Amino acid sequence: DAKTTQPTSMDCAEGRAANLPCNHSTISGNEYVYWYRQIHSQGPQYIIHGLKNNETNEMASLIITEDRKSSTLILPHATLRDTAVYYCIVSLGPPQKLVFGQGTRLTINP
Amino acid sequence: EPEVTQTPSHQVTQMGQEVILRCVPISNHLYFYWYRQILGQKVEFLVSFYNNEISEKSEIFDDQFSVERPDGSNFTLKIRSTKLEDSAMYFCASSPQDRDLTYEQYFGPGTRLTVT
Repeated sequence: DAKTTQPTSMDCAEGRAANLPCNHSTISGNEYVYWYRQIHSQGPQYIIHGLKNNETNEMASLIITEDRKSSTLILPHATLRDTAVYYCIVSLGPPQKLVFGQGTRLTINP
Repeated sequence: EPEVTQTPSHQVTQMGQEVILRCVPISNHLYFYWYRQILGQKVEFLVSFYNNEISEKSEIFDDQFSVERPDGSNFTLKIRSTKLEDSAMYFCASSPQDRDLTYEQYFGPGTRLTVT
């Protein structure tokens, strides 16, 4: 599994866009970039994933660089409920496991 | 919206006792997983299960652990003789089948296991 590097913590003001970076320089050609988040001690929640194209869903946008060595998760209008630990994970997909790192603790401030 | 459910939400047991943690995955999903998270630490993979057999297991998943899908809906994790270090939050997850083979995992709310 490719390793990922994320900042330990970030702050963002409510209503602003939160941009969470992730480095995955050793990603292989068939590995996807997944983003999950964990609010308090709840079960991790899937946010978005992509291979090489940028992706958008109702929760977030995922921007992957052309060389695929890094990506950015964008929460366009952060709310207090977006305060969580965000995990960037590289995976081939099922049945392969998810390997969680320490993630980025994102705090949304009022 | 369908969701993964887990019971009980909190289990307290004495060291050496057997525990069974139960999960009901989303009904049309084909891949099933158990993860655990010791307080303050990372989420760790334990085991994956597909087509009624284990696909992969971690070093944590030793002979004291077993998984079963006893019927069409439940997925269980058994710890035969619990140790203090088994105290953790245990998460069940399941994945659908997707034509693009890019499956996300859906996690349950977890069972907090406390071994005393």
